[in-house]
Amino acid sequence: KNEVEQSPQNLTAQEGEFITINCSYSVGISALHWLQQHPGGGIVSLFMLSSGKKKHGRLIATINIQEKHSSLHITASHPRDSAVYICAVKGPNYQLIWGAGTKLIIKP
Amino acid sequence: DAGVIQSPRHEVTEMGQEVTLRCKPISGHDYLFWYRQTMMRGLELLIYFNNNVPIDDSGMPEDRFSAKMPNASFSTLKIQPSEPRDSAVYFCASSFYNEQFFGPGTRLTVL
Repeated sequence: KNEVEQSPQNLTAQEGEFITINCSYSVGISALHWLQQHPGGGIVSLFMLSSGKKKHGRLIATINIQEKHSSLHITASHPRDSAVYICAVKGPNYQLIWGAGTKLIIKP
Repeated sequence: DAGVIQSPRHEVTEMGQEVTLRCKPISGHDYLFWYRQTMMRGLELLIYFNNNVPIDDSGMPEDRFSAKMPNASFSTLKIQPSEPRDSAVYFCASSFYNEQFFGPGTRLTVL
């Protein structure tokens, strides 16, 4: 079993829909990251959180430490949100443990 | 700050040649990471440094790969000799506390 599991692996939705991407992990962590990788390849850090909830524009990230689960939500989705979204946790050592990513496609 | 800088952005070489990838982390960051991304294996951590010292190189695939960080503002990842299966995008990232900032990546193609 992978230490970081993301779901779904692929998600296609219509513009305007509310999007949820889930991340579950099995290791003890001090922080969880959500990253975005666009088709061009660049990786951008969206959120780093260790408790509660963070919001940035149309993006919301939540984490439940007890349940070892995090969600990334996108409100009023737009085609430019199409990207791969990656969940990564800071494991026992300093390195990040990555999920496999969720490929999101938003159709106009 | 210009962010994490990587060079070259693209590299095409022939099998057997030596390849050197370069990274300049964000000033003041004390951690530096080298990642490799392929379609088959996704994003893999190769090695990371703390204060210029390699901490964990367990992700380095084999002896053909080596990484150095001679000072706080520069790191290299070298592949010698290169093989077609090394073709991938190589990312460098730096961090001060927890959040990692990624460079644009180097797309390596070994023919």
